[in-house]
Amino acid sequence: KAGVTQTPRYLIKTRGQQVTLSCSPISGHRSVSWYQQTPGQGLQFLFEYFSETQRNKGNFPGRFSGRQFSNSRSEMNVSTLELGDSALYLCASSMGAGDEAFFGQGTRLTVV
Amino acid sequence: GQQLNQSPQSMFIQEGEDVSMNCTSSSIFNTWLWYKQDPGEGPVLLIALYKAGELTSNGRLTAQFGITRKDSFLNISASIPSDVGIYFCAGRGNAGGTSYGKLTFGQGTILTVHP
Repeated sequence: KAGVTQTPRYLIKTRGQQVTLSCSPISGHRSVSWYQQTPGQGLQFLFEYFSETQRNKGNFPGRFSGRQFSNSRSEMNVSTLELGDSALYLCASSMGAGDEAFFGQGTRLTVV
Repeated sequence: GQQLNQSPQSMFIQEGEDVSMNCTSSSIFNTWLWYKQDPGEGPVLLIALYKAGELTSNGRLTAQFGITRKDSFLNISASIPSDVGIYFCAGRGNAGGTSYGKLTFGQGTILTVHP
């Protein structure tokens, strides 16, 4: 059974640009959540999607958005990138919101 | 908001020694999860706990869900060099409301094992 797949693995963007990250959950999993990991703040919750609906959102500005498709694949978008958005972005999938959460390898975003 | 305090922040041990780390929360959690993360990789799930008082093992790893539902600990017995990494605890509240899919993470414990 394939694990959680995140693409791309690495990204370098310029301040002010926008970026889209992709996450393919484990087959059969309908809940996808996103996290930002930085050395200073650790792992912070961004948002969670289930059956194409955003059910929860963390304390991040509106520049951070996401969506989920009918096949449970999810994307997150960050607009007007800032230097502080440089981080490892992690996606986790689970059968339901209360089940075990499995993480992908992450996308390392560097904003210059 | 919810906060998790994980300790110790780092540990330096000799191969073969046992390791213990724990997490405490200011709020009640319904699920505790323990992860290991290697540099540049995503966290890998080690153990999931769903009931207060539950004690679960996975090979040399043992974790417990505290009876107050505000703490959890992880033990690693007979450590080996490949145990090196960062260990995170994560808690999750009731499904619903502001807790859907949200894991609250501890700050991590950096484990170094000397051969």
